[in-house]
Amino acid sequence: GAVVSQHPSRVICKSGTSVKIECRSLDFQATTMFWYRQFPKQSLMLMATSNEGSKATYEQGVEKDKFLINHASLTLSTLTVTSAHPEDSSFYICSADPGQGLSQQYFGPGTRLTVT
Amino acid sequence: GQNIDQPTEMTATEGAIVQINCTYQTSGFNGLFWYQQHAGEAPTFLSYNVLDGLEEKGRFSSFLSRSKGYSYLLLKELQMKDSASYLCAVLDSNYQLIWGAGTKLIIKP
Repeated sequence: GAVVSQHPSRVICKSGTSVKIECRSLDFQATTMFWYRQFPKQSLMLMATSNEGSKATYEQGVEKDKFLINHASLTLSTLTVTSAHPEDSSFYICSADPGQGLSQQYFGPGTRLTVT
Repeated sequence: GQNIDQPTEMTATEGAIVQINCTYQTSGFNGLFWYQQHAGEAPTFLSYNVLDGLEEKGRFSSFLSRSKGYSYLLLKELQMKDSASYLCAVLDSNYQLIWGAGTKLIIKP
């Protein structure tokens, strides 16, 4: 149980375009989902916390107008990178908290974004 | 500020035992996680400690001392597939995960 999927797994886009990444909890409901970014050889950096039915909470330094997060249902959160630039190229990982008291996060497989 | 320290890289031999340490200074404590992350993949959950002591799970064990702000992950009977990064993360008083930079473990035959 506790499977989280992400789509797409890899995406290449041109500078200036927008890219949407989906994160789904397949066998549980997730009130809270998290979006991380990871640059090569670095640890995870939390970008935002997404709560179903409310606005996402962004970490300091993360532009909310550039990284649009929508948590429309208890099983789906989306991250849209708007007007992508080469410096946005990174590994984007989502995680979901099933809210069972353990506060364990289940991670999606990640999305490798390359902006050319 | 909040801080998680763990070694950047460690090397061990197949079949041996390795201990990866993690020290933390956070605003509050609601548990410590260890995750394994292979290159190019997302992290996978290994262990969760909230009380002092040793938790054993197969070849992997995790230890916590809250008074010392210290944890370690112990890997026994190392296999080549254990080559990965091991991430220590602490849940702070706001139930936010604070991540360490990870320890890259290299297993040699």
